[in-house]
Amino acid sequence: QQQVKQSPQSLIVQKGGIPIINCAYENTAFDYFPWYQQFPGKGPALLIAIRPDVSEKKEGRFTISFNKSAKQFSLHIMDSQPGDSATYFCAASKGAQKLVFGQGTRLTINP
Amino acid sequence: DGGITQSPKYLFRKEGQNVTLSCEQNLNHDAMYWYRQDPGQGLRLIYYSQIVNDFQKGDIAEGYSVSREKKESFPLTVTSAQKNPTAFYLCASQPLAGQQGTQYFGPGTRLLVL
Repeated sequence: QQQVKQSPQSLIVQKGGIPIINCAYENTAFDYFPWYQQFPGKGPALLIAIRPDVSEKKEGRFTISFNKSAKQFSLHIMDSQPGDSATYFCAASKGAQKLVFGQGTRLTINP
Repeated sequence: DGGITQSPKYLFRKEGQNVTLSCEQNLNHDAMYWYRQDPGQGLRLIYYSQIVNDFQKGDIAEGYSVSREKKESFPLTVTSAQKNPTAFYLCASQPLAGQQGTQYFGPGTRLLVL
């Protein structure tokens, strides 16, 4: 019940396309859902996060959609660029407890 | 300049040797974490600490040890009992008050076996 399942494992999109990465969780007590972006050889960096009282949050070209009833949330990247090529991790937590991470999605944006 | 520092960037371990990875933060965060990342894989939790002089095992603690003598420091020792230590090691910190769940990561240490 502590797992967060992330899909797909890898994704290739043409420049300007809209990659979508999905995550599903079981624990309804989770109340914080961040996304992290990791470039090769670097530590993950917080990209955007959402709480379950809203269904969507946008920051620049990045959007989180949240479906509480389905226990799913997803990351959309508008007008994707080659510089967005990275590994993306979703995560979830309850209160100030430790994060539970998804397995990651390796995203490649072709020029 | 606030943040999390990890050293060294690369570390080489000989057979039977213990090595220690450093993690320091000047963010005044309460909690600190150590993760292991294998090529193309996700993040696996090794140990975490929410308060000085206390720490808990994560999912893959065997062959590792930690200490938390100071709030800003959380070193990880990879012991000779860890038979497959080659990986990318990430340290993270988190404030327990306010920004719930937000963890901030260091730049990582890559450990290689000679």
